[in-house]
Amino acid sequence: GENVEQHPSTLSVQEGDSAVIKCTYSDSASNYFPWYKQELGKRPQLIIDIRSNVGEKKDQRIAVTLNKTAKHFSLHITETQPEDSAVYFCASRDGGATNKLIFGTGTLLAVQP
Amino acid sequence: DAGVTQSPTHLIKTRGQQVTLRCSPISGHKSVSWYQQVLGQGPQFIFQYYEKEERGRGNFPDRFSARQFPNYSSELNVNALLLGDSALYLCASSKTGVGRNTEAFFGQGTRLTVV
Repeated sequence: GENVEQHPSTLSVQEGDSAVIKCTYSDSASNYFPWYKQELGKRPQLIIDIRSNVGEKKDQRIAVTLNKTAKHFSLHITETQPEDSAVYFCASRDGGATNKLIFGTGTLLAVQP
Repeated sequence: DAGVTQSPTHLIKTRGQQVTLRCSPISGHKSVSWYQQVLGQGPQFIFQYYEKEERGRGNFPDRFSARQFPNYSSELNVNALLLGDSALYLCASSKTGVGRNTEAFFGQGTRLTVV
């Protein structure tokens, strides 16, 4: 079935360093790839997304890249800050007639001050 | 500008009982999706409703059902609760059902504990 693999499961970086989270999806018809940040006990928050007709998208310190051929997409956070600490989920939207999102297993990012 | 609202925020039920969870989408949004998030995992898709019709169903038993009302709010019902149903239930709101403008915005969730 459709699935999304996400790595690493935990990531610890020093404040100011960069963080990279990688995902791989299985459904070649997937056309939309959002990233969510979830702080402990809170709702997942959409932080950036990318559509299949674009290879890269950037929003201030956050960027996402997509390689459709390899079915890979990645989240890049530069100049990390302690408030970036959270669980990050990647997702892909299935290629069918719904907007069902298939989520990865999450990455716990810890930014050490 | 209100976001997605869910009620209740917390709920404790005993095995075998039934539960109803409620969601109000962002104003102007016509699609509601439900997800189950077990501790330590990513959300799992349960249902999508758009314009009051079911548009998608995930791999959940028939004990799970949902509906959408004319004002686009939605209810998720779970019958014959099992301990394994304990999870955070998230509602996601989107402008449309498929295609562009389908960014999903999540509510704060309902934490269901089955004892």
